[in-house]
Amino acid sequence: EAQVTQNPRYLITVTGKKLTVTCSQNMNHEYMSWYRQDPGLGLRQIYYSMNVEVTDKGDVPEGYKVSRKEKRNFPLILESPSPNQTSLYFCASRGQAVAQLSYNSPLHFGNGTRLTVT
Amino acid sequence: GENVEQHPSTLSVQEGDSAVIKCTYSDSASNYFPWYKQELGKRPQLIIDIRSNVGEKKDQRIAVTLNKTAKHFSLHITETQPEDSAVYFCAARRNAGNMLTFGGGTRLMVKP
Repeated sequence: EAQVTQNPRYLITVTGKKLTVTCSQNMNHEYMSWYRQDPGLGLRQIYYSMNVEVTDKGDVPEGYKVSRKEKRNFPLILESPSPNQTSLYFCASRGQAVAQLSYNSPLHFGNGTRLTVT
Repeated sequence: GENVEQHPSTLSVQEGDSAVIKCTYSDSASNYFPWYKQELGKRPQLIIDIRSNVGEKKDQRIAVTLNKTAKHFSLHITETQPEDSAVYFCAARRNAGNMLTFGGGTRLMVKP
């Protein structure tokens, strides 16, 4: 089954304790991205990657890191989490990041990770 | 960068009525406009999208209209059903661009 898998689904942690949220897709998609969802603010892009070893900042990258060592995986790293990073996080992927048809490739979202930082 | 505004933030309709959600965007270079539906506790899923060379697109009970001159696009749901209750997000992106900018979302409640 084609899917984007995030882990964990729920995470409660304390300020300053490094954490990683994993994301994996089995659709051979070039493009992957991370969003955070907050009430009234919609989905805001944190980082994205067009392919292996290529990453770029989105709208709200501060306090986050990502890596793309393999095509299927795109982990989100919070080196020193703070309470304002409490949010619902979604990983997403889509195909043909470079091809001319890419602009109408739909995003496939993972199930989300609800993070609470106390 | 792109800025997408979505209205209303909440919408309550009676089953069988129509629902309309409106979005405006700021970047005239944007030419791809998808709509996502997010049911409670679930992931957003694409329900319909439109490109800028088309003014309207329909898929059964849902339709999207686009006015490039005014830089706004709308989602229309006819004959609403309780299962249409969800949060709906509009979004906009440039041709072959990598930033998909979302609106703030609309919580649609369909009362039986």
